[in-house]
Amino acid sequence: DVKVTQSSRYLVKRTGEKVFLECVQDMDHENMFWYRQDPGLGLRLIYFSYDVKMKEKGDIPEGYSVSREKKERFSLILESASTNQTSMYLCASNPPGKRTEAFFGQGTRLTVV
Amino acid sequence: QQQVKQSPQSLIVQKGGISIINCAYENTAFDYFPWYQQFPGKGPALLIAIRPDVSEKKEGRFTISFNKSAKQFSLHIMDSQPGDSATYFCAASIAGNNRKLIWGLGTSLAVNP
Repeated sequence: DVKVTQSSRYLVKRTGEKVFLECVQDMDHENMFWYRQDPGLGLRLIYFSYDVKMKEKGDIPEGYSVSREKKERFSLILESASTNQTSMYLCASNPPGKRTEAFFGQGTRLTVV
Repeated sequence: QQQVKQSPQSLIVQKGGISIINCAYENTAFDYFPWYQQFPGKGPALLIAIRPDVSEKKEGRFTISFNKSAKQFSLHIMDSQPGDSATYFCAASIAGNNRKLIWGLGTSLAVNP
């Protein structure tokens, strides 16, 4: 079974804090993704990575950065958390190829106060 | 600009009824159309997927219908059950694009007992 594990289910941080969200996958997938999910807005892509040390901006990268030092780990960083970054964050991975399944973690519910 | 438009936003169906969710797309380069199911507190999980050279795909009570000329595809859930209550997302992707998925905004389905 493919497993994508996010380090925290719930997180509460203060405005201005630097926040790290960690994601680890155990299936040697090349591609990894970070999304945020908000009611009525669906899944919005923040950043993705298709190889170690490679990253590409998604649709809403502002206020975020990422790190991929090892193939299995993809970190999302909120440089200075703000209240409008309160959201559900979802990590996903999939191998490259024509029609492949994306596997998601259970999500991290981040609240910035 | 929403590249994949999903409707309805929410749906209430009686147990045993048929649930129908529709998606429309613009980009004719899309070549893979998955549907994901998300239960509360969980990440989305692949439910069923179709490629554009097939007009219909059925897996158990779940069927995707695909209309290439109209650039539309839909999910039909036959004999809907309370356990099907979840949020459903349609998506699309392009070969060679690292399988980055373009998502619909989701449909919240409630099946009444």
